[in-house]
Amino acid sequence: EPEVTQTPSHQVTQMGQEVILRCVPISNHLYFYWYRQILGQKVEFLVSFYNNEISEKSEIFDDQFSVERPDGSNFTLKIRSTKLEDSAMYFCASSESRGLAGLTQYFGPGTRLTVL
Amino acid sequence: KQEVTQIPAALSVPEGENLVLNCSFTDSAIYNLQWFRQDPGKGLTSLLLIQSSQREQTSGRLNASLDKSSGRSTLYIAASQPGDSATYLCAVRPDLFQGGSEKLVFGKGMKLTVNP
Repeated sequence: EPEVTQTPSHQVTQMGQEVILRCVPISNHLYFYWYRQILGQKVEFLVSFYNNEISEKSEIFDDQFSVERPDGSNFTLKIRSTKLEDSAMYFCASSESRGLAGLTQYFGPGTRLTVL
Repeated sequence: KQEVTQIPAALSVPEGENLVLNCSFTDSAIYNLQWFRQDPGKGLTSLLLIQSSQREQTSGRLNASLDKSSGRSTLYIAASQPGDSATYLCAVRPDLFQGGSEKLVFGKGMKLTVNP
């Protein structure tokens, strides 16, 4: 069964460093998402991406965050200058479409980001 | 602002029991509701998605119902097994004009332990 994959599974970085989290969505999906889950808290929406542009973003997704689909398969989340409070599990998700047949969002296994 | 609540936060039951997991949301203007399962340190596995126009969905031993007007959904697990032990998350997709927001708004989840 097709699945969303994410790399790396765990990333440790120093405060102020840039990190790039990578995702490979399911191949025929058109909508891509990033969410994060700080330890012990709810899963929070960050951003959605369609047709090579951001379609919706949350208040969390400020100027230090950016997303890109550099080629036909990868979807990346970049954090320019990491802060301690960016430590979280980051989940990538994808869905086939916005129509009734493709509303289910499928999530990857996550990247645990630890900022020291 | 949409808020999703799941009570209780944890539940421990003996194997074989039929279970009802509750989810409530504050704004009835939703596009759909999705139930997920999360195993420790893992990603989110989609279990069921209910459209706002539907009353219930079934998959195997799982049945999810939706009462949009009262802001409630329940996930029914029949004949629980130790392998059902996981955290169960409820998420709603807010309804906006012309089709809905992109994001999912999550509850904090309910940690289920099924004892052999």
